[in-house]
Amino acid sequence: EPEVTQTPSHQVTQMGQEVILRCVPISNHLYFYWYRQILGQKVEFLVSFYNNEISEKSEIFDDQFSVERPDGSNFTLKIRSTKLEDSAMYFCASSPTSGSNEQFFGPGTRLTVL
Amino acid sequence: QKEVEQDPGPLSVPEGAIVSLNCTYSNSAFQYFMWYRQYSRKGPELLMYTYSSGNKEDGRFTAQVDKSSKYISLFIRDSQPSDSATYLCAMSLYRDDKIIFGKGTRLHILP
Repeated sequence: EPEVTQTPSHQVTQMGQEVILRCVPISNHLYFYWYRQILGQKVEFLVSFYNNEISEKSEIFDDQFSVERPDGSNFTLKIRSTKLEDSAMYFCASSPTSGSNEQFFGPGTRLTVL
Repeated sequence: QKEVEQDPGPLSVPEGAIVSLNCTYSNSAFQYFMWYRQYSRKGPELLMYTYSSGNKEDGRFTAQVDKSSKYISLFIRDSQPSDSATYLCAMSLYRDDKIIFGKGTRLHILP
């Protein structure tokens, strides 16, 4: 069964450093999303992406964040200058254009900012 | 008023029992309703998906949506220890829209 994959599974970085989180969505899906979950809190929407551009972004997704689909398979989230409060699980999701809103999530990348 | 409210639990039930999980929401414009299961430090796994009001059944799982009451439910029949996880209710306004999640209910099925 096709699934969303994410790398790395765990990323440790120093405050102020740039990180890139990578995702490979399900191959025939066209809508892509990033969510994050701070430990003990709810899953929160960051950004949605369709047709090579951002569809919607949340208040969390400020100028330090960017997304890119550099080729036909990868979808990345970059944080330019990490802060302590960026420590969280980051989930990539994708959905097909089938008339539904079934979003399929990857296993997540745990980001730890020291 | 929070957009989506869900009792965090934990909820402990004996194996074989029927489990009832619920969420309420405030925005009557939500049209798509989902239930996700999340194991510790893993990604949410889509369990059930419903558009608008009504019931949907899939094996041991039944999802119910009552838009008039702004209330959604997930029932698990013949619960198994492997059902022990956090269950997240989720909803969105329209197709391909961002998902708004509840905080999740931790469920423990006792052998």
